[in-house]
Amino acid sequence: DIQLTQSPSFLSASVGDRVTITCRASQGISSYLAWYQQKPGKAPKLLIYAASTLQSGVPSRFSGSGLGSEFTLTISSLQPEDFATYYCQQLNTYPLDFGPGTKVDIK
Amino acid sequence: QVQLQESGPGLVKPSETLSLTCTVSGSSITGVYFWGWIRQSPGKGLEWIGSIYNGVSTYYNPSLQSRVTISGDTSKNQFSLKLNSVTAADTAVYYCARRAPATRGIDYWGQGTLVTVSS
Repeated sequence: DIQLTQSPSFLSASVGDRVTITCRASQGISSYLAWYQQKPGKAPKLLIYAASTLQSGVPSRFSGSGLGSEFTLTISSLQPEDFATYYCQQLNTYPLDFGPGTKVDIK
Repeated sequence: QVQLQESGPGLVKPSETLSLTCTVSGSSITGVYFWGWIRQSPGKGLEWIGSIYNGVSTYYNPSLQSRVTISGDTSKNQFSLKLNSVTAADTAVYYCARRAPATRGIDYWGQGTLVTVSS
């Protein structure tokens, strides 16, 4: 199985901050990576697919980059509605596991 | 508009079988998409359970493979999850979801249903 790690696991930030979350895969997965946002009591929401493609309807302050085994999700200017938990998922090989998540909280 | 809705018992006894159904509208389960199940234990992360393609081909997480069956009913545009021999560790919110092919990720999710395993 491909293992995913995320860092940090928790971060405290203020509105307007630039936030970067890293996802690392235990082996290369090309660009087969997606990012999701989950708010309490809600289903996850797809933000980014193919490592860097913005899902339709997602604000442009979200961006993704990376290839192979290291990927980043960046929020250019954190908004109040962005406080949530973020997960990466690899889509290269079954099982299609998720990373452990990064919780973004209000400073 | 694509919609997915989970249904099934919210309480299952230990050692019994957990059974859930996902009813899909706005998209066919026999099309180009993968249809699957993901769960989330209370306060924990997301766990991919498995998926079905074209109503027939199935893919399971090896950690659950011996206990899981995912099947499709094309006449009703539904797919189902069965998880045998459940324990308290299977208590979770279960989501059904649609995944687009290749790199495109899970683009539609059900609202999720909490299943508690308890006697």
